[in-house]
Amino acid sequence: QLVVTQSPSASASLGASVRLTCTLSSGHSSYAIAWHQQQPEKGPRYLMIINIDGSLDRGDGIPDRFSGSSSGAERYLTISSLQSEDEADYYCQTWGADTVVFGGGTKLTVL
Amino acid sequence: QVHLVESGGGVVQPGGSLRLSCAASGFAFSSYGMNWVRQAPGKGLEWVAFIRYDGSDKFYADSVKGRFTISRDNSRNTLYLKLNSLRAEDTAVYYCAKAFHAAAATPDWFEFWGQGTLVTVSS
Repeated sequence: QLVVTQSPSASASLGASVRLTCTLSSGHSSYAIAWHQQQPEKGPRYLMIINIDGSLDRGDGIPDRFSGSSSGAERYLTISSLQSEDEADYYCQTWGADTVVFGGGTKLTVL
Repeated sequence: QVHLVESGGGVVQPGGSLRLSCAASGFAFSSYGMNWVRQAPGKGLEWVAFIRYDGSDKFYADSVKGRFTISRDNSRNTLYLKLNSLRAEDTAVYYCAKAFHAAAATPDWFEFWGQGTLVTVSS
């Protein structure tokens, strides 16, 4: 069964960097995933797609300080030079067999 | 500039029905598949349904299959979701989301999202 798993929370200081992890279930390590950001009381916003080779497809207007990478079954979202507006929920997402799956989301707190 | 504006949410009794709409602008609506995704209060995102660009094929999450119907009117640039036999667990904000690739045959990536409309199922 296709599942993506995320840690429920993360925190980092203003101006620092943070890396969020999305883990694909066994047998699905070749899948690409997408990251979406949801700021408080807003609709989600597409950030990027990360492929198994680490190549990215970043959304329009997404700053370079949002980057992605890949290792095995893990897909990462790294946010550098953290700003207060980066405090949000981050969801990873993938698809297969005519369905879409989301991770449970990671709540990022900027200290 | 892509805009997706959902409407039609409200309070409905268990077993009742509702129709949601999503008005789209800023892109060639008739060329893209569209999705509905929902979020229960304090919970994560759950994909609900997808419709191909021409309405020829539709896909549903198991949790709503047989109760919800996705449709579109390309002449009005509008996406719909008819919700029947509503249950308390259907209470959520419902978002419409544009597919990433033109003429996508199945649900895959979401490139743009609306701001959502709240559906509350309660007696």
